[in-house]
Formats: sequence, structure tokens, C-alpha cells
Amino acid sequence: GNSVTQMEGPVTLSEEAFLTINCTYTATGYPSLFWYVQYPGEGLQLLLKATKADDKGSNKGFEATYRKETTSFHLEKGSVQVSDSAVYFCALQGFGNEKLTFGTGTRLTIIP
Amino acid sequence: EAGVTQSPTHLIKTRGQQATLRCSPISGHTSVYWYQQALGLGLQFLLWYDEGEERNRGNFPPRFSGRQFPNYSSELNVNALELEDSALYLCASRPSGTQNSPLHFGNGTRLTVT
Repeated sequence: GNSVTQMEGPVTLSEEAFLTINCTYTATGYPSLFWYVQYPGEGLQLLLKATKADDKGSNKGFEATYRKETTSFHLEKGSVQVSDSAVYFCALQGFGNEKLTFGTGTRLTIIP
Repeated sequence: EAGVTQSPTHLIKTRGQQATLRCSPISGHTSVYWYQQALGLGLQFLLWYDEGEERNRGNFPPRFSGRQFPNYSSELNVNALELEDSALYLCASRPSGTQNSPLHFGNGTRLTVT
């Protein structure tokens, strides 16, 4: 079945540091890939997505590239801010399968 | 546009009782999904409803059930509550048949079983 493995947290960085949160997946066919973010006390919000190999999703300074050869979708940001502190979830949706499969989430804390 | 709304925000029950959680999707969305977010376990898929029918079910026991009403709102019922059912229950919606469109999540119902 489909599965997502993402970097264990928590991750603590200083403001303006470079961020990478690793995500790898297992799926048959050609899944769509997503990053969701959960701010304290809120539900999940879509951060970015990519629907085919070599696509790059980007939003709010975050980027992730769909790498089929390494089955990865790592999240990156060049300069993090305190407001980026949240839990980040990598997710995939298999072709023809409407449910999303999520990773376990990575808690990110940015200190000033 | 109003987002996905869930009620109640918090729910406290004792072991063995039943819990009912409610979800109203975004207007025009006919697919509703339920996820359980237990501490340290990420999001586990529970149920998917579309056009009033149950389309898929996660690996949960039968005491987790639900339904979708004609107005596309949905209810999740958990019978014979156990301590490990304590979690944040998230509802999400999207238009039917839009495979690559994102899920829109509510803020969740935090269920505590004592």
C-alpha cells in the first residue's frame, strides 16, 4: 500500500536559517504529493503540491520538488521566520485513490 | 466563503460512552473525509463519504461509524469509547471527483476519554 515517511522531529532552528524537512514515499503508479501545515490550535492547510515528476511546488517561500527517481518530496525554505513554527505533514494521493496518506508530521520551532 | 466547520470543539466522555462529532463541509463540496490525529501517530484515515455514500474506510474497528446527510454534512460516531480514542478528529472536504484538488480541513474536535 501507499506510505509516507518523513523526518522525525522536533526540529528547532534559529530565525533566517535554512530549512529542509525530508519526505520519501512508497506508492504504485504516479501519485500526487502534498505538504500541509498545521499552526497551533488550527486544522491543516495546504502549503504546496506537485502532481507529476519534476514538478516544483512553491508557496510562502517554501519549495518542494517531486523526484520520482528517489521517491522524495523534500520541503525547503531558504530563510525561516518565527511565524513558520508549526507542524508540517507530507502526504500523497495515489492515482485513482481519493484518500490522502499522511506522514507522521514534523514539528518545527523557530527561535528569534 | 465559510470554511469547514466542526462541532463541538472539545468533547469529554468516559470510557464506554458514545461520542458524536459533526462536520459541515464548504458549500459545494460533496466529499467529506474524517481523520484521527492521535498524539505521535500523525493522521490516520478513518472514513470517506461522497454524495451520501461511504466510499472508503480506514483500518478502524466497526465501533467507528458515520454518515453523510443530504446537505453533505457528516457525523462521526464512536461507540464504546476506549481511552486510546482520545485524539483530535479532523474533518476535511473537497468537490466530488476532483482528485488533485486539495483537502480543506476544519479545526477539529478534541475528544478526551477518561
